[in-house]
Amino acid sequence: AQKITQTQPGMFVQEKEAVTLDCTYDTSDPSYGLFWYKQPSSGEMIFLIYQGSYDQQNATEGRYSLNFQKARKSANLVISASQLGDSAMYFCAMREGTDYKLSFGAGTTVTVRA
Amino acid sequence: GAGVSQTPSNKVTEKGKYVELRCDPISGHTALYWYRQSLGQGPEFLIYFQGTGAADDSGLPNDRFFAVRPEGSVSTLKIQRTERGDSAVYLCASSSTQGLNSPLHFGNGTRLTVT
Repeated sequence: AQKITQTQPGMFVQEKEAVTLDCTYDTSDPSYGLFWYKQPSSGEMIFLIYQGSYDQQNATEGRYSLNFQKARKSANLVISASQLGDSAMYFCAMREGTDYKLSFGAGTTVTVRA
Repeated sequence: GAGVSQTPSNKVTEKGKYVELRCDPISGHTALYWYRQSLGQGPEFLIYFQGTGAADDSGLPNDRFFAVRPEGSVSTLKIQRTERGDSAVYLCASSSTQGLNSPLHFGNGTRLTVT
């Protein structure tokens, strides 16, 4: 079964606007971590933000914030004040407490328009 | 400091040939991972090393794939009798700990093309 689901294959956003990227996950482990990565066309995978299952507050990192809804098993990434350099593929990933590897979703392509 | 280094960045080989892909992790990182990424898809786990030993090789697709990390640092992914379906970007990543919140740091990948 798919552990991470990203239903939006592609999105367009106007420069300076905010965009929300959806991510739902599936696990029965009470202890898990959720990660978001950015992959520009150059191919490098850049770690953006982390949310732990026991964290009481939503994670934030600069213009990135994570809308964590534990009961709904969703961990949506919000990018505020989009910039042209934000155009990239974005991946949601999960590590379950008993594991060490990350399981990735299929990704969402974001294109920022000037 | 230096990030994860992968060589070569591109490799073109003929069907049936043997290839080796190299990964040099961040200094001091004990955990090393190999992933494979097909075009337009998310990375798929292949194998994980903790130190010198392969702690989990459940993602290797078949016995043509093998990876080593003899001294607990550099790792080599080896593919025998390559097939066109092996064409993908092979990503290596390392992390400093096995903690739940420890992110993977990725290299730029090796793009393998099997003709």
